[in-house]
Amino acid sequence: NAGVMQNPRHLVRRRGQEARLRCSPMKGHSHVYWYRQLPEEGLKFMVYLQKENIIDESGMPKERFSAEFPKEGPSILRIQQVVRGDSAAYFCASSPTSQPGSPQHFGDGTRLSIL
Amino acid sequence: EDQVTQSPEALRLQEGESSSLNCSYTVSGLRGLFWYRQDPGKGPEFLFTLYSAGEEKEKERLKATLTKKESFLHITAPKPEDSATYLCAGPGSARQLTFGSGTQLTVLP
Repeated sequence: NAGVMQNPRHLVRRRGQEARLRCSPMKGHSHVYWYRQLPEEGLKFMVYLQKENIIDESGMPKERFSAEFPKEGPSILRIQQVVRGDSAAYFCASSPTSQPGSPQHFGDGTRLSIL
Repeated sequence: EDQVTQSPEALRLQEGESSSLNCSYTVSGLRGLFWYRQDPGKGPEFLFTLYSAGEEKEKERLKATLTKKESFLHITAPKPEDSATYLCAGPGSARQLTFGSGTQLTVLP
């Protein structure tokens, strides 16, 4: 099953450390989206990327967070100097086109816990 | 501001008891509305896309409908395995999805 693959599934970090979350889109998909789901809250958009380009990062905090989708390899969401409030489930989605009606397919997420 | 509101927040049904979930939206430049199912510890699983008012889509015991202001997910004769959180989402003029907070459905045997 060549679905959206995210790793690690669970990640524990201490305050001040860096967290790196990886996402491999579905085969043939070149559009990647990152969402965050805080405890007891809904999914919130963070960033939209195509290969080597950030298209929309309007939902991503200005500090400590960055994302990339290199020509080769998975998309990476990086959180520097993590704080307790970063504890959440981070989901990646992919789609084959940029058409708004094209559904986004999700991975099973990375659960980030900050000690 | 784009907004998607789902009701009820939680719904408990007996097996075989049909019901409907509601999703109302104010999303600028809405181009389709999506329904997803999310099981605990999993990512959202795509169910349907609806593009225009009057459109209906069906899959097993689920039927999704769309009007100009809201969408319904009808569940006919549900089974315990239909228990999950059902999410609706609208893509605005940008590509990000605006999600509702979901309806947590529990179907009791």
